[in-house]
Amino acid sequence: GDSVTQTEGLVTLTKGLPVMLNCTYQTTYSPFLFWYVQHLNEAPKLLLKSSTDNKRTEHQGFYATLHKSSSSFHLQKSSVQLSDSALYFCALSDGGSALGRLHFGAGTQLIVIP
Amino acid sequence: GGIITQTPKFLIGQEGQKLTLKCQQNFNHDTMYWYRQDSGKGLRLIYYSITENDLQKGDLSEGYDASREKKSSFSLTVTSAQKNEMAVFLCASSNGEAEQFFGPGTRLTVL
Repeated sequence: GDSVTQTEGLVTLTKGLPVMLNCTYQTTYSPFLFWYVQHLNEAPKLLLKSSTDNKRTEHQGFYATLHKSSSSFHLQKSSVQLSDSALYFCALSDGGSALGRLHFGAGTQLIVIP
Repeated sequence: GGIITQTPKFLIGQEGQKLTLKCQQNFNHDTMYWYRQDSGKGLRLIYYSITENDLQKGDLSEGYDASREKKSSFSLTVTSAQKNEMAVFLCASSNGEAEQFFGPGTRLTVL
């Protein structure tokens, strides 16, 4: 069945450094991938989404590129800020449809220190 | 814009107790979801509903019931709370345009 793997449970970085949060997926359908961000005591919110192979998508300084050849959708930022400290979830839409239920990865906690 | 409201914000129950969580949305979205969030396990789908009176089981439906009384509301019942259970239950809705909008959550503690 469909699944998402996020390999890092916790990433701690100093402000100003680049970050990459890993996301790989398994599906037999054409993939539709998402990144959600959840700040402490807040609801998860959509950060990025993509279903287009090899096209970079960007929002709020974060970017990701869907690579179907490697089944990956890694989240990156060139210079992290203290306000980026949050829990980041990668998600895959079920059945390859934008309308499907989502399969979430376990999440990566990003902590940015001064 | 719209908003998703979840009540209560905190829920403390006793082992074996039946507990109900409520969710309301004013987005006028057709589809609503209930997720359970445990530390280190991401969000796991319990139930979802694509329209009023529709119910679809997710990966974690055992031990739960759900009810979609009307388009704007979606309730979740823990049929028998498990001792030492602690989790956050998140409600979400979607208009079919891929993005899901989440509520602030209900934090459950079972004594």
